[in-house]
Amino acid sequence: DTEVTQTPKHLVMGMTNKKSLKCEQHMGHRAMYWYKQKAKKPPELMFVYSYEKLSINESVPSRFSPECPNSSLLNLHLHALQPEDSALYLCASSQGPRSYEQYFGPGTRLTVT
Amino acid sequence: GEDVEQSLFLSVREGDSSVINCTYTDSSSTYLYWYKQEPGAGLQLLTYIFSNMDMKQDQRLTVLLNKKDKHLSLRIADTQTGDSAIYFCAESIDYGGSQGNLIFGKGTKLSVKP
Repeated sequence: DTEVTQTPKHLVMGMTNKKSLKCEQHMGHRAMYWYKQKAKKPPELMFVYSYEKLSINESVPSRFSPECPNSSLLNLHLHALQPEDSALYLCASSQGPRSYEQYFGPGTRLTVT
Repeated sequence: GEDVEQSLFLSVREGDSSVINCTYTDSSSTYLYWYKQEPGAGLQLLTYIFSNMDMKQDQRLTVLLNKKDKHLSLRIADTQTGDSAIYFCAESIDYGGSQGNLIFGKGTKLSVKP
């Protein structure tokens, strides 16, 4: 099973809402990542979790709050977002933090109104 | 700083070979990658090459690396309409002991005409 799943597939939220994006993998990977991809742009790294601990935070605003409750799950909690945060949010995982193969999920298409 | 450059568009006929080119700036990159993204989907890792190699072949895909010129290319033999997608070149930067920092190019949109 080389699958990374993400839910929901699409999300529309207002600027005052609180919502969460979920990511799951059952490959036994110990590194998990959140990327943000704006339309017609490449993905940009947001966070890296290594062995369930946050190891990289690429200066992401605090309205994005990641959580790694266990080695298979990665959440991204969203609060007080802005319309410019509308994007495709991609989750990825790799065997370890030094592993060169990152497997990506299909993404959550987020629209902030 | 790190930068990865790709041409934005490539159009080929079905059955022809496609060659997608990429240049990168960071000479300390350890791995270089090609990802494929179909519309509305996530990224699929196609292939990668370690920086001490100059060629890697995997079925229809051939990756060439010229480390001196910091140039990477992906050749797709016998291109099919199902190969139509955006292809991202990426380099990994050793970031505090992690390979997690992938720097992506802007992507090349490959269109395959029947």
